[in-house]
Amino acid sequence: QKEVEQNSGPLSVPEGAIASLNCTYSDRGSQSFFWYRQYSGKSPELIMFIYSNGDKEDGRFTAQLNKASQYVSLLIRDSQPSDSATYLCAVTNTGNQFYFGTGTSLTVIP
Amino acid sequence: DVKVTQSSRYLVKRTGEKVFLECVQDMDHENMFWYRQDPGLGLRLIYFSYDVKMKEKGDIPEGYSVSREKKERFSLILESASTNQTSMYLCASSLQWGRGREQYFGPGTRLTVT
Repeated sequence: QKEVEQNSGPLSVPEGAIASLNCTYSDRGSQSFFWYRQYSGKSPELIMFIYSNGDKEDGRFTAQLNKASQYVSLLIRDSQPSDSATYLCAVTNTGNQFYFGTGTSLTVIP
Repeated sequence: DVKVTQSSRYLVKRTGEKVFLECVQDMDHENMFWYRQDPGLGLRLIYFSYDVKMKEKGDIPEGYSVSREKKERFSLILESASTNQTSMYLCASSLQWGRGREQYFGPGTRLTVT
């Protein structure tokens, strides 16, 4: 079983809609959770991180964490064509390693 | 802003050559990482280092070695490049302690081995 699982997509949403990206993880000891955005041919860039149950909002982005169900999600409100990218979920425990999902490809249709 | 730089954006090498990829970070991070990224396989950890001269194998260390002589610099070495090492190589760094410990990535090196 993979440490972190994501639906590879592709996920398509119309411009202005809410895009919902989901991620599940296997290690109940996981402590910190991250969302990265990666444009084609570029390196991942951090969008936000969360480590407490509940929601964390940053602009149009909201991360949601549910440790009991072992999932973390990212909502993108008012989606824009510039949000079209692959979104990577990452998880850490008390160690130094990150565990990345394989990413979900998002396309926002104008 | 955290800055992670990598020595080359694009590199073409021949089979059997020794290849050096260098990574430098300017945020005094303890941890540094080397990944490769291939379509459909996601990010795979090659090696990481949590201190100068310290290293730990990741998921796919075969055919690679690393060197960390200074805190800010982490080098990946392909001892004898092979065509199956054609990939995007990404370096990252992070703090060692604290709940965040987010990783910051360099721009990547696209290596082609012919």
